[in-house]
Amino acid sequence: AQSVSQHNHHVILSEAASLELGCNYSYGGTVNLFWYVQYPGQHLQLLLKYFSGDPLVKGIKGFEAEFIKSKFSFNLRKPSVQWSDTAEYFCAVRYSGGGADGLTFGKGTHLIIQP
Amino acid sequence: KAGVTQTPRYLIKTRGQQVTLSCSPISGHRSVSWYQQTPGQGLQFLFEYFSETQRNKGNFPGRFSGRQFSNSRSEMNVSTLELGDSALYLCASSLAVSLLETQYFGPGTRLLVL
Repeated sequence: AQSVSQHNHHVILSEAASLELGCNYSYGGTVNLFWYVQYPGQHLQLLLKYFSGDPLVKGIKGFEAEFIKSKFSFNLRKPSVQWSDTAEYFCAVRYSGGGADGLTFGKGTHLIIQP
Repeated sequence: KAGVTQTPRYLIKTRGQQVTLSCSPISGHRSVSWYQQTPGQGLQFLFEYFSETQRNKGNFPGRFSGRQFSNSRSEMNVSTLELGDSALYLCASSLAVSLLETQYFGPGTRLLVL
C-alpha cells in the first residue's frame, strides 16, 4: 500500500535554529507532494506544493522543500524558525492511480519552538 | 473568497446513532473530499466527490457514505456509530479531481461518540 513516512513525531527547537523535517513516500510512479501546517486551534493550511519542474520549491513564511526523486523524499526546511512556527506539520502525497486518488498523509510532526 | 465551511463544528452522539455532516466548498470548486483525523491513525482519506459522483474511495466500511449536490455542497453520513468513529472530520475542496489540483481544508467537525 502507498504510504508516507515522517521520521520525527516531535521536534523541539529554539528560536533562530534551522529546521529540517523528513518525509518519505513509498510509490515510484507519478506523485504530487504537499506540506500542510496546522497551527494550534486552526485548520490545515497549505505551506507549499510540488507538481513538476524545479525540485526546490518555496512556500509561505520562509519554508522550502526539496523533492529528491531517487530518495522518494520531500523534506521541509526553514533556515531560522520563529516561536510562531509552533504547529503540527503534515507531509502529503497524491498518487496517480489511473486518475487521482485522495491525499495520503504522514502521521505529522509536532514542532515546538522555545523562545 | 470565503473558505471551506463545515457544519456543525461539534457533535456528540451515542453508539448506534447516525450522523450527517455538511461541507460547503470554496466558491467555484467542484470537487469535495472528506478525511478522518484521529490521534492514532492520523489523517485518512474517506472519499472524493465531483459533479455529484463519487470518484475515489478510501478504505472505510460501508457505514461511511457521502453525497454531493448540484451546487457542489457535500454531506457525509455515518450510520450505526461506534466509539472508534470519534474523530475530527475534515472536508477539503478543489477545482477538480486532478493530480494538479490543490485541496483546501475546512475547520472540521469534531464528533464525539459516547
